[in-house]
Amino acid sequence: AQSVTQPDIHITVSEGASLELRCNYSYGATPYLFWYVQSPGQGLQLLLKYFSGDTLVQGIKGFEAEFKRSQSSFNLRKPSVHWSDAAEYFCAVGTPLGNKLVFGAGTILRVKS
Amino acid sequence: ETGVTQSPTHLIKTRGQQVTLRCSSQSGHNTVSWYQQALGQGPQFIFQYYREEENGRGNFPPRFSGLQFPNYSSELNVNALELDDSALYLCASSFTSGRLNEQFFGPGTRLTVL
Repeated sequence: AQSVTQPDIHITVSEGASLELRCNYSYGATPYLFWYVQSPGQGLQLLLKYFSGDTLVQGIKGFEAEFKRSQSSFNLRKPSVHWSDAAEYFCAVGTPLGNKLVFGAGTILRVKS
Repeated sequence: ETGVTQSPTHLIKTRGQQVTLRCSSQSGHNTVSWYQQALGQGPQFIFQYYREEENGRGNFPPRFSGLQFPNYSSELNVNALELDDSALYLCASSFTSGRLNEQFFGPGTRLTVL
């Protein structure tokens, strides 16, 4: 069965600093991987996705993620964090038939000025 | 283009009651998925509907049921509510074309069971 682990429950970074959120997945085949962001009281917004091809994926809002098959990881990065990036971030893996997403528990990002 | 909408925004019920949550899918989408997000957790897949039929189900009891209508909107019904059913219920729509496609999420319905 698929599973996703986000080791960091909370992360605090200073505005302008770089960010890396960790995600490890368990899946038997080539995974479909996603990063979503959720602001308080809001639904989920897709930041980026990986289906195949280039392992470095660019997303919205200046985010990128790198798929590393050998480490079963799909870490999210941003070179310079803005205060508006404070939110909860979820990594998810999709099944090949497309009928469900399996989410990690999320990482809450706090940005200090 | 209208995004995914859900109603109501908030709902308070008591244990043992029944509840119906509604979701309107994004224009052009034919698939609706429902997720339960308990406080402090990631969303958990409940089930998915494609062409008005259930197309996959997560580890939820039968008192969680759903419908999809010809216009691809959907309902989630929960019978015999329990305290642990308190959560944010998210609906996501997508277009199924034989491979995984992006799911677009609505803002959710916050259900509180007292």
